[in-house]
Amino acid sequence: NAGVTQTPKFQVLKTGQSMTLQCAQDMNHEYMSWYRQDPGMGLRLIHYSVGAGITDQGEVPNGYNVSRSTTEDFPLRLLSAAPSQTSVYFCASSVLGTGRTGELFFGEGSRLTVL
Amino acid sequence: GQQVMQIPQYQHVQEGEDFTTYCNSSTTLSNIQWYKQRPGGHPVFLIQLVKSGEVKKQKRLTFQFGEAKKNSSLHITATQTTDVGTYFCAGPGGAQKLVFGQGTRLTINP
Repeated sequence: NAGVTQTPKFQVLKTGQSMTLQCAQDMNHEYMSWYRQDPGMGLRLIHYSVGAGITDQGEVPNGYNVSRSTTEDFPLRLLSAAPSQTSVYFCASSVLGTGRTGELFFGEGSRLTVL
Repeated sequence: GQQVMQIPQYQHVQEGEDFTTYCNSSTTLSNIQWYKQRPGGHPVFLIQLVKSGEVKKQKRLTFQFGEAKKNSSLHITATQTTDVGTYFCAGPGGAQKLVFGQGTRLTINP
């Protein structure tokens, strides 16, 4: 199994450009999420989804859009990139437990630099 | 929203010394998870604790969940160079949200 696959692994953008980070999982997980990781800040939740057609905001959603048209895919869109969005982005998925998420499986990350 | 605070932020030890990281919440947690991230890698799930006062062991790693379910700890006995990385706790931050602590970065002098 490939698990959680993120593309691209590295990306450099100019301020104001838009782009999409792709995330796909082959484990039939209902739950998918996006985190960003900055030094000293840990992992902060951007958006998450509990199934196709259902998305919700996390701790730091501003400047990002998501959609979930299929169980497998959960792309993250940066609408107008800003230097503050320079970060490492992780996609993660899990099965849904009763009222809680299960073990998160993470992708290898996408390192984004905004100039 | 729910926050989990993790201390210390950094810990440097000599190989063979013990290491402990602590996770605290102002509210009761229904469960807590622990992850390890190697340098340059992605977080990898270690364990989930659910019961009050629960203690679980994985070889040299001991995980505890407090009686009040507001704190948790990860203790590594006799550290090895393979233990290097950042350890995160994560707890529920509302409906289907998993919120991470800031992490404890462990470095080891061989």
